[in-house]
Amino acid sequence: DAGVIQSPRHEVTEMGQEVTLRCKPISGHDYLFWYRQTMMRGLELLIYFNNNVPIDDSGMPEDRFSAKMPNASFSTLKIQPSEPRDSAVYFCASSWTNSGNTIYFGEGSWLTVV
Amino acid sequence: AQSVSQHNHHVILSEAASLELGCNYSYGGTVNLFWYVQYPGQHLQLLLKYFSGDPLVKGIKGFEAEFIKSKFSFNLRKPSVQWSDTAEYFCAVMANQAGTALIFGKGTTLSVSS
Repeated sequence: DAGVIQSPRHEVTEMGQEVTLRCKPISGHDYLFWYRQTMMRGLELLIYFNNNVPIDDSGMPEDRFSAKMPNASFSTLKIQPSEPRDSAVYFCASSWTNSGNTIYFGEGSWLTVV
Repeated sequence: AQSVSQHNHHVILSEAASLELGCNYSYGGTVNLFWYVQYPGQHLQLLLKYFSGDPLVKGIKGFEAEFIKSKFSFNLRKPSVQWSDTAEYFCAVMANQAGTALIFGKGTTLSVSS
C-alpha cells in the first residue's frame, strides 16, 4: 500500500501568494483529515471529510483557508493569500470506518511563508 | 468535545532509564485512545491504541500504555529507553462514535542521552 501521499513535501513562498497543498488518501479510506503542526500549538485539526463531504471545518483558522475533496482519491488545502504565520507542517491523514478508527498520516507538507 | 492534556512538554532521560509520559483526556463518553510517535523530520506513526478490553495495551518497540477510566488517563510507559527513542510523542483521543476526528495533545519531546 502506498500510504497517504502529500505534495509538495516542502514549499517556500512569499507572503501574499496562493499555496495549494495536495493529498491522496489511502485507497478505500472514507475519512480524510487535514492537520497543522506548529511549535506553539502542536497538532491542530483543521478540517475533515467523510465520503468527500466536509464534516467539521471549525478548526480552519480563517477565510484565507479552504479545503476541497472533489473525489475519494484527492483533496486540496488552499491558503490565499498566505502569511508568515501560516508557516507550519501540514499533515493529511486518512482512515476507514472499519479500521477501528486508526488514522494513517502522510509525511507532511513543510510550508514556509517569507 | 474531547480534549487531551499532556503534562510534560520536554523529558530528558539517560539510556536505560524508565519512562512514563502522562496523558489525560476530557470526554464524558466512550473513547478510543492512541499514542503516536514522530521521529525527527518524519511523520506520525502509531505506537499503540486502546479501544476496549484489557486496559493495559502493548505497542511497538517495547512501549505500553494503561487506560485508567476513573482517572481519564492513558499514560505511556517503557521500562528502559534507548537513544533511538528520542522523538516527540503525542497522545490522542477519539470519541467512540461515527463521524468524529482524532484530537491530539500538544506532544511531549523525549530526549535520550547515550
